[in-house]
Amino acid sequence: NAGVTQTPKFQVLKTGQSMTLQCAQDMNHNSMYWYRQDPGMGLRLIYYSASEGTTDKGEVPNGYNVSRLNKREFSLRLESAAPSQTSVYFCASSEGGFQPQHFGDGTRLSIL
Amino acid sequence: GNSVTQMEGPVTLSEEAFLTINCTYTATGYPSLFWYVQYPGEGLQLLLKATKADDKGSNKGFEATYRKETTSFHLEKGSVQVSDSAVYFCALSDQGTGRRALTFGSGTRLQVQP
Repeated sequence: NAGVTQTPKFQVLKTGQSMTLQCAQDMNHNSMYWYRQDPGMGLRLIYYSASEGTTDKGEVPNGYNVSRLNKREFSLRLESAAPSQTSVYFCASSEGGFQPQHFGDGTRLSIL
Repeated sequence: GNSVTQMEGPVTLSEEAFLTINCTYTATGYPSLFWYVQYPGEGLQLLLKATKADDKGSNKGFEATYRKETTSFHLEKGSVQVSDSAVYFCALSDQGTGRRALTFGSGTRLQVQP
């Protein structure tokens, strides 16, 4: 019973490098989300996908792109990483709406 | 804009003690309110929710009542266990504004000692 699976769990990048964070869910959920969590702050929504083929910006989308590859997978891409993007990234899913029910275990990303 | 304010932690309790974690909010519309829990090394899990004034959400012995008059949604549990040690996040969604995002508080760490 995997739920929401994120890869990788840890990553260190240099400024200007690019990478893609992967997320997959096996609950047949329609909605998927990418959040970032910074120390002393709550989670902030980066991007949201209500269904396969649709994506919407959240509160902090600058510097990120997303792809809803199919119903199961929702990836987050950093085209040119910046130190301000050092954070813990969480993928989440829900049956519908915009209230995430299930979260992955997170990706801890450090940008030097 | 919307905001959620939680009491600062850590909150340290002995096993079987009564728990209250305060949460107050400001919102422009008619929000739904949520509590999420994050165990060490894991993602958040939805713990409970309430969608209108005077609703009580409950799950796993935790309760919270939506109080519109005091704009609060305090989390309570009558007898905590060591396994309840985690970070608890209060959040709101303001569907009236059409914003497709939850607004989270900064989280309150609970430490339960045996």
